[in-house]
Amino acid sequence: DAEITQSPRHKITETGRQVTLACHQTWNHNNMFWYRQDLGHGLRLIHYSYGVQDTNKGEVSDGYSVSRSNTEDLPLTLESAASSQTSVYFCASSAGTEINEQFFGPGTRLTVL
Amino acid sequence: AQKITQTQPGMFVQEKEAVTLDCTYDTSDQSYGLFWYKQPSSGEMIFLIYQGSYDEQNATEGRYSLNFQKARKSANLVISASQLGDSAMYFCAMRGLNRDDKIIFGKGTRLHILP
Repeated sequence: DAEITQSPRHKITETGRQVTLACHQTWNHNNMFWYRQDLGHGLRLIHYSYGVQDTNKGEVSDGYSVSRSNTEDLPLTLESAASSQTSVYFCASSAGTEINEQFFGPGTRLTVL
Repeated sequence: AQKITQTQPGMFVQEKEAVTLDCTYDTSDQSYGLFWYKQPSSGEMIFLIYQGSYDEQNATEGRYSLNFQKARKSANLVISASQLGDSAMYFCAMRGLNRDDKIIFGKGTRLHILP
C-alpha cells in the first residue's frame, strides 16, 4: 500500500545544530508540504513543493529550507536549530486533483535544547 | 487573505449524542474547498470530509456531515451518534481551487466523548 513516512519520529538536538527531517511518500504525488503543529496555533505551513525542483515558502518558513530532487522525498532542514523550533512536524502529500485531499505522515517530534 | 476560525477550543459530549463542531472561514475566492481532519491522541491526521464551494448539497461520509452555509461562510462538522472513539482533536481547513492555493488550518477543537 502507498504511504507517507517520516523519520526520525523523535529527535532531540541542541541549539545551533543543523537538523534534517526526512519525508518519503510512495503515492507518486506531485505536491508535498511541511507543517509544524504547536498548541494554540493548529498547523502552520512551513514550505511546500508542487513538483521536482519546485519549492515555495509557507507562512513560517524562516529558519527552514527544503529541496525536491525527486517525486518521493521532501527533506526539511533546520539550518541552525532554535528552541522556538521545538514542535511536532508533519509532512503531507496530495495528488493535485481538485479536491486535493492531503495525506499526512505520522509526524516527527523535535525538541531543541 | 484566507482565514479559518474554530471558536470552540474544547467540547464535552455524551456518547450517542450528535455533535456539531463550528467552523467559519473568510476568503475572497469564488471557488474553494473545505476540509475536516481528525487527530486522535496517537497524533496522526485523518481526512474526514470535503465540501466544494460550488456543491449545492452538503457533503456526507458515514456518520460525518458538513453543514455548509455559504452565505454565512460556515462549514460546521456534524457527527451523528457519537462514539468514544470520536474523542480527538478536529481541524477545519480550507484551500482555494487555484494551483498555488495551499490548505490553511484552523486551531482545532478538542472533542471529548463521555461514556
